Amino acid sequence: DVKVTQSSRYLVKRTGEKVFLECVQDMDHENMFWYRQDPGLGLRLIYFSYDVKMKEKGDIPEGYSVSREKKERFSLILESASTNQTSMYLCASSTSTGTGLFATEAFFGQGTRLTVV
Amino acid sequence: DAKTTQPNSMESNEEEPVHLPCNHSTISGTDYIHWYRQLPSQGPEYVIHGLTSNVNNRMASLAIAEDRKSSTLILHRATLRDAAVYYCILPLEYGNKLVFGAGTILRVKS
Repeated sequence: DVKVTQSSRYLVKRTGEKVFLECVQDMDHENMFWYRQDPGLGLRLIYFSYDVKMKEKGDIPEGYSVSREKKERFSLILESASTNQTSMYLCASSTSTGTGLFATEAFFGQGTRLTVV
Repeated sequence: DAKTTQPNSMESNEEEPVHLPCNHSTISGTDYIHWYRQLPSQGPEYVIHGLTSNVNNRMASLAIAEDRKSSTLILHRATLRDAAVYYCILPLEYGNKLVFGAGTILRVKS
């Protein structure tokens, strides 16, 4: 019954490393999202994508990039990991209603807890 | 962007109903009202959504005020597994962009 799968539950990386966080959904959803969650700051949107090869910046895109080469897969890339990117990363997907009124539910993965040392 | 206001925390007894309020006084006519919850160590989980009419599903009920400036999530019989952070959200733009506020921490006592 798994719908949104994130490749790792826990990850430890060194400062300066290039880090890839992978997310796959099996619901044929158009929309995919990457959030990070930090204590006291809640969930913050990093990037989202409405379609293959399309991406839009969220509220905190600095230090991140994304890739969506296939509809089911949305990757978050930390080009040069830093300690302030230690966080819980959550991927989500949803479908559009096609009318401009977004009334459908989003599905979230279990999250990847990334520690940068 | 329409914003939501929720109490920081609420407490309930097990097996009793819980009413979680949300104010969204700047809501527009086309904004849907979504509720999600996040259990400890898990990603957020969809609960319910609505536009104008009250809504029911297997998890909860959503009561929407006539002027749509507020709504209430109702858990009919709280269980210990309902202890979570509950988020009231008005999705932005097309494509279901969800912006999460601080939410309400619900504690359920046995």
